[in-house]
Amino acid sequence: AQKVTQAQTEISVVEKEDVTLDCVYETRDTTYYLFWYKQPPSGELVFLIRRNSFDEQNEISGRYSWNFQKSTSSFNFTITASQVVDSAVYFCALNSGYALNFGKGTSLLVTP
Amino acid sequence: NAGVTQTPKFQVLKTGQSMTLQCAQDMNHEYMSWYRQDPGMGLRLIHYSVGAGITDQGEVPNGYNVSRSTTEDFPLRLLSAAPSQTSVYFCASSTRLAGLLNTGELFFGEGSRLTVL
Repeated sequence: AQKVTQAQTEISVVEKEDVTLDCVYETRDTTYYLFWYKQPPSGELVFLIRRNSFDEQNEISGRYSWNFQKSTSSFNFTITASQVVDSAVYFCALNSGYALNFGKGTSLLVTP
Repeated sequence: NAGVTQTPKFQVLKTGQSMTLQCAQDMNHEYMSWYRQDPGMGLRLIHYSVGAGITDQGEVPNGYNVSRSTTEDFPLRLLSAAPSQTSVYFCASSTRLAGLLNTGELFFGEGSRLTVL
């Protein structure tokens, strides 16, 4: 069975702090893709990153970075020097054939 | 560049009424899907389609019907609405299908908020 666990329901940080959002997944497939999406208070879903199971290189995009470790089945997301605009719900997702299975999300609140 | 368009954005129904949530995409995507989002539950897949004439069930299909007569459109039908179907519904599409694997990012509509009284 495919499963994505985001154990952190809510995180609150003060602006400029670094924050890591955890994502642990379960799959029996050898080929799969992992995703992160952002849902700001306005409600739309914004794609952040896709990573396939054969590429364990970490990725950095500005203040965002992702750490993919197959050994621990984790795909964690770090925001460096957080800003108020980072306040949102963040979803990790795993594809299962045609279906994309989402975790329950982590609500991040960044206060000034 | 419209992307994925959902209508209506808001709808209130009475128990037992039927309605259709419309979804259209103009990106020629093969894959389309419907999710529902409930507090604390994340996004759960209702139905999906990998092309015209092909649909399949997701995690929570009961109470919903879909059809895919064209590449562009993927309507979601509630035949007899129940309060448990109060939710925000998202339609999403994707273009990258590699065999049995959906490898692409999902493009989401803006969502449709449905309340069933």
